[in-house]
Amino acid sequence: EVQLVQSGAEVKKPGESLKISCKASGYSFAIYWLGWVRQVPGKGLEWMGTIYPGDSETRYSPSFQGQVTISADKSISTAYLQWSSLTASDTAMYYCARHGDPNYYYYMDVWGKGTTVTVSS
Amino acid sequence: QTVVTQEPSLSVSPGGTVTLTCGLSSGSVSTSYYPSWYQQTPGQAPRTLIYSTNTRSSGVPDRFSGSILGNKAALSITGAQADDESDYYCVLYMGSGIWVFGEGTKLTVL
Repeated sequence: EVQLVQSGAEVKKPGESLKISCKASGYSFAIYWLGWVRQVPGKGLEWMGTIYPGDSETRYSPSFQGQVTISADKSISTAYLQWSSLTASDTAMYYCARHGDPNYYYYMDVWGKGTTVTVSS
Repeated sequence: QTVVTQEPSLSVSPGGTVTLTCGLSSGSVSTSYYPSWYQQTPGQAPRTLIYSTNTRSSGVPDRFSGSILGNKAALSITGAQADDESDYYCVLYMGSGIWVFGEGTKLTVL
């Protein structure tokens, strides 16, 4: 069974750093693009960026470029989303999602359950 | 910056048909944007419904269908059921490894 298992909820203070994870199983992790999606409480979904774990090629939404870093470790089938200095506006649910088919990656077909990040002083 | 537009809210009667649309603030949506559709109920992760304009994802009932209507992508739900009451999002592939979500449509079944 194809699965994406995300790390647990985080509560952080402004200015702290954070790295959340998304562990894949049931498929060849390296050859499928994997994306991150943000959902601020009460708001819609926003595509943040996507990584190809095979060579770590990464694409970012202009809205998130420079604000977060997406990485992957194909040896343990895990992707990461990290912040160097959190602000209250980073409070949200974060989903990882696999892009469908290595040769047809234009959509997302498998979703993690999400990681809640709360940033508060 | 390109905005992907959706109706903020729609309603449908049980058993009825409703069409949700996905447009661009500037320009027309075509199959070249590979439109996909996702359903999200409160407190849950999104679920993939439709990709490549009109291909249903595995396990999605044929009550859900996708198309291009005029200059927009469209998701139609026929024979609406109570558990179709959800938020629906479209995604367009803008090229160069960039995806954009629509603003979402809140569908009420009443």
